[in-house]
Amino acid sequence: DAKTTQPNSMESNEEEPVHLPCNHSTISGTDYIHWYRQLPSQGPEYVIHGLTSNVNNRMASLAIAEDRKSSTLILHRATLRDAAVYYCILRDDGDYKLSFGAGTTVTVRA
Amino acid sequence: NAGVMQNPRHLVRRRGQEARLRCSPMKGHSHVYWYRQLPEEGLKFMVYLQKENIIDESGMPKERFSAEFPKEGPSILRIQQVVRGDSAAYFCASSLRDSQETQYFGPGTRLLVL
Repeated sequence: DAKTTQPNSMESNEEEPVHLPCNHSTISGTDYIHWYRQLPSQGPEYVIHGLTSNVNNRMASLAIAEDRKSSTLILHRATLRDAAVYYCILRDDGDYKLSFGAGTTVTVRA
Repeated sequence: NAGVMQNPRHLVRRRGQEARLRCSPMKGHSHVYWYRQLPEEGLKFMVYLQKENIIDESGMPKERFSAEFPKEGPSILRIQQVVRGDSAAYFCASSLRDSQETQYFGPGTRLLVL
């Protein structure tokens, strides 16, 4: 399975953007890049996913490098409720198992 | 539309007892997945079920653990003769029709074995 590498932690101030990097140098052509987050004492929550093009939704934006070996999740204006562990996951088309690594723990300062 | 529901949210058992964890998928979802999160670790896949069928149980311990998703009612993860090492958060997820679709997670059941 292709693996991802994320920083252990990141800090941000409230109302400021947060850029969460993810490296996936061994990504295959059919791997989708998925992001989930897990708030304290809750189950994981789907954030966004993409294949090649940048993606936007109400929660975040996903910027994918042209060679697809890295991607960045962008939270445009962090709030205290965005404090969570963010997981970058590669998921092959047809793969139903989600492989969660250690993720990035995001702390938001008021 | 209610999300994925799990109960109980917290469960305390003594060593050797049985634990039953229940999961009601989102309305219309017929694919259920169970994951386990041990303390200070990431979530690990355990089992994938469709109605009345176990599709993949490769992540489930061979002994003491079983799962079902009957035609009617919730999915059940059953742990017999629990040991302290079974203490963890157990999460259920569901998806609509196709296993490739987004998985929606429940709040989890936190099992503590004394």
